[in-house]
Amino acid sequence: LAKTTQPISMDSYEGQEVNITCSHNNIATNDYITWYQQFPSQGPRFIIQGYKTKVTNEVASLFIPADRKSSTLSLPRVSLSDTAVYYCLVPGRGSTLGRLYFGRGTQLTVWP
Amino acid sequence: GAGVSQSPSNKVTEKGKDVELRCDPISGHTALYWYRQSLGQGLEFLIYFQGNSAPDKSGLPSDRFSAERTGGSVSTLTIQRTQQEDSAVYLCASSVATGTKRGYQETQYFGPGTRLLVL
Repeated sequence: LAKTTQPISMDSYEGQEVNITCSHNNIATNDYITWYQQFPSQGPRFIIQGYKTKVTNEVASLFIPADRKSSTLSLPRVSLSDTAVYYCLVPGRGSTLGRLYFGRGTQLTVWP
Repeated sequence: GAGVSQSPSNKVTEKGKDVELRCDPISGHTALYWYRQSLGQGLEFLIYFQGNSAPDKSGLPSDRFSAERTGGSVSTLTIQRTQQEDSAVYLCASSVATGTKRGYQETQYFGPGTRLLVL
């Protein structure tokens, strides 16, 4: 399973753009990068997935450089409701289909 | 449509007792996953099912843990002789499939979890 490295916590203020970077140095050639969001007392929720360059949806953007050893989740104009834990997931070499490693994620706190 | 449901939402039990946790996946989802989340920790993978079979059971922490899935739908996670360290939130997720090619992960839809407290 691929090990990913993310900051343990981040703070931001309402209306700011937040960028959370994840390192995944041993990403495999075919691996996609997926981000999930988890609110307190809830299960994680899928945010975005990408393979290379840039992916954008109504919630976030995902930037992946050419070497794919890292990725950045970008949340535009965050609000208080974006306070949550954000997980970066990469299957990794030799992984079994279906098995994901969530790690501890990044606790994002948005302040008024 | 309905999402993933889990029952009970909370369970308090005494050390040494057995518990059963239930997961109802989204209708039509062939893949089902169990995770455990201890306080302040990330999700720990336990087991996943493709249909009724479990290709990967290596995440189960001990032989006290077992899981089954019948009819390709409902799954039950059983913990025998519970210990205090088993206290955690047990999360279930389902997806359309486990992915048609290695490296690509189908979106997993999570239930609200079962909060287990072993006294």
